[in-house]
Amino acid sequence: GQSLEQPSEVTAVEGAIVQINCTYQTSGFYGLSWYQQHDGGAPTFLSYNGLDGLEETGRFSSFLSRSDSYGYLLLQELQMKDSASYFCAVINQAGTALIFGKGTTLSVSS
Amino acid sequence: DTAVSQTPKYLVTQMGNDKSIKCEQNLGHDTMYWYKQDSKKFLKIMFSYNNKELIINETVPNRFSPKSPDKAHLNLHINSLELGDSAVYFCASSQDHRANQPQHFGDGTRLSIL
Repeated sequence: GQSLEQPSEVTAVEGAIVQINCTYQTSGFYGLSWYQQHDGGAPTFLSYNGLDGLEETGRFSSFLSRSDSYGYLLLQELQMKDSASYFCAVINQAGTALIFGKGTTLSVSS
Repeated sequence: DTAVSQTPKYLVTQMGNDKSIKCEQNLGHDTMYWYKQDSKKFLKIMFSYNNKELIINETVPNRFSPKSPDKAHLNLHINSLELGDSAVYFCASSQDHRANQPQHFGDGTRLSIL
């Protein structure tokens, strides 16, 4: 089967840097995705890592190490609006749908 | 110009009733999905359709029946609603079902069973 582990909660202050880790167990790996979801909102795509290394998109970066079955989402220069849940996800073995982690709730304070 | 739209946004009904949720995407995507998000925010795939054909049905009770009249629409019909069906249901779409394709989610339908 497939499973993903990520911390349930992370807190930080405005302007700080935060790293949300995700470890996964999967048979057949096609890449790691990250989604953001604000309270009451829809999940929105942030990034995808198919190969090892760092992908940067503005203040957000995502990293993957396939040998360690590990990835992380790095959020820099935190803003209050970054308070949300962040989900890592992998494609299922059949390659037909995403399997999501249980999400990390990030709370940013001033 | 909403990309993925689902209706209704809220649905409050009694146990035993039958209800439907509609979803439409105007992105020209080939693949559409239904997810269920429970009160602990756990997002779980229910169904996946590619070009109107069912490609995944993840251990969902057969009271749930998806229908895709064309590749831009994926509706969800639920029979004999139960208390445990209370959740937020999200429709999503992607260009195709490859891993690197972002999924675009609708705003969700909040289903409450009385």
